[in-house]
Amino acid sequence: SQELEQSPQSLIVQEGKNLTINCTSSKTLYGLYWYKQKYGEGLIFLMMLQKGGEEKSHEKITAKLDEKKQQSSLHITASQPSHAGIYLCGADLNNRKLIWGLGTSLAVNP
Amino acid sequence: EAGVAQSPRYKIIEKRQSVAFWCNPISGHATLYWYQQILGQGPKLLIQFQNNGVVDDSQLPKDRFSAERLKGVDSTLKIQPAKLEDSAVYLCASPGLAGNNEQFFGPGTRLTVL
Repeated sequence: SQELEQSPQSLIVQEGKNLTINCTSSKTLYGLYWYKQKYGEGLIFLMMLQKGGEEKSHEKITAKLDEKKQQSSLHITASQPSHAGIYLCGADLNNRKLIWGLGTSLAVNP
Repeated sequence: EAGVAQSPRYKIIEKRQSVAFWCNPISGHATLYWYQQILGQGPKLLIQFQNNGVVDDSQLPKDRFSAERLKGVDSTLKIQPAKLEDSAVYLCASPGLAGNNEQFFGPGTRLTVL
């Protein structure tokens, strides 16, 4: 089974709607990284969370880390077509390398 | 600072042919990562270099994949011979300078094996 589970696998929302993507680890998290990827391209770093309860925002994207649940959520407020893409979470499990979720594919309909 | 450069961006080959990818990481960064990302999956680490030495190649299929990093700067990843299941995006990444696991990725090379 996956060490890092992302949900949902895919999401289609209407422009202007809010959405949440979750990333859950089966092991203790020492760092959680969110990236965005356009189809067939490289990953673009969004945010990094390291401390329990930490919350970071960038424009209309907010990410939180729940250390107890070993889970992070990525929330997009008032989604826009430019938010479309694949969102990937990567986790540092204290072995000096990242493991990755399978990604959440987001489509935003205008 | 300049980002991670990769070439080619796209490559189409037939099975059993050979192919090579090139990566120029962020200047001055000792660590370099090569990932394979199959459609619909997250990146899978193939090999990690520290300067020109290999730190981790546990998931590199060594019977057909090879990588080198001469002089601890540019790196090449080679597949010989390619199989259909090697079709994927190959990503090169450099770490950030913050000492955590933040990584900066190149645009990737999309490989299609026919």
